[in-house]
Amino acid sequence: QVQLVESGPGVVKPSETLSLTCGVSGFSVGSGYFWGWIRQSPGKGLEWIGSAYHTGTTYFNPSLKTRLTISVDTYKNEFSLKLRSVTAADTAVYYCVRHGAVLPPGNFDIWGQGSRVTVSS
Amino acid sequence: DIVMTQSPLSLPVTPGEPASISCRSNQSLLRSNGYNYLDWYLQRPGQSPQVLIYLGSNRASGVPDRFSGSGSGTDFTLKISRVEAEDVGVYYCMQALQTPPTFGGGTRVDIK
Repeated sequence: QVQLVESGPGVVKPSETLSLTCGVSGFSVGSGYFWGWIRQSPGKGLEWIGSAYHTGTTYFNPSLKTRLTISVDTYKNEFSLKLRSVTAADTAVYYCVRHGAVLPPGNFDIWGQGSRVTVSS
Repeated sequence: DIVMTQSPLSLPVTPGEPASISCRSNQSLLRSNGYNYLDWYLQRPGQSPQVLIYLGSNRASGVPDRFSGSGSGTDFTLKISRVEAEDVGVYYCMQALQTPPTFGGGTRVDIK
């Protein structure tokens, strides 16, 4: 079955860049789905961050757009998130997700197990 | 952004009994194609969310038929015909009409 597994540091210093990778097994990232990120925090609940297609097309939450990079690597069969200039407000559990090739994003049918990231010096 | 409001915040349920969760949006989620762009998700304790219902009333793959979604426009309902112990967790509605997709605050379902 399709599985997504997040990896990355659990602690990031303020003003630095949060980097996470999502490894995909059981499905090719180049096969017609979008790959995205959603985060969950006590203060903001569930928040869609952004999504990317293997062609390089990306869609971002406007509230995060200026700090975001999401990319898909078809050779490694994984995708990644980079969020620059982080603050304590970016502390959350980060989930990688899959959704169909329609927009706006919806029907997030596969989720990773989540990666807890704390922004702290 | 579209604002999603759920009620109740908390719902104690009795196994075998029905349960219902309401979700309201501050603008219509009905597109001209006739579909309502509304999903329902369940997050069981300690787990990631999983999709239950998409496009208002379509059950996702593997979801038991005791779950059903209904409603149109701005008012939606998730119904569980007979609650089972494994149904405890937090239920979220999410609009997929506009970018960014936005989630409701959640309804916590637990056993009485």
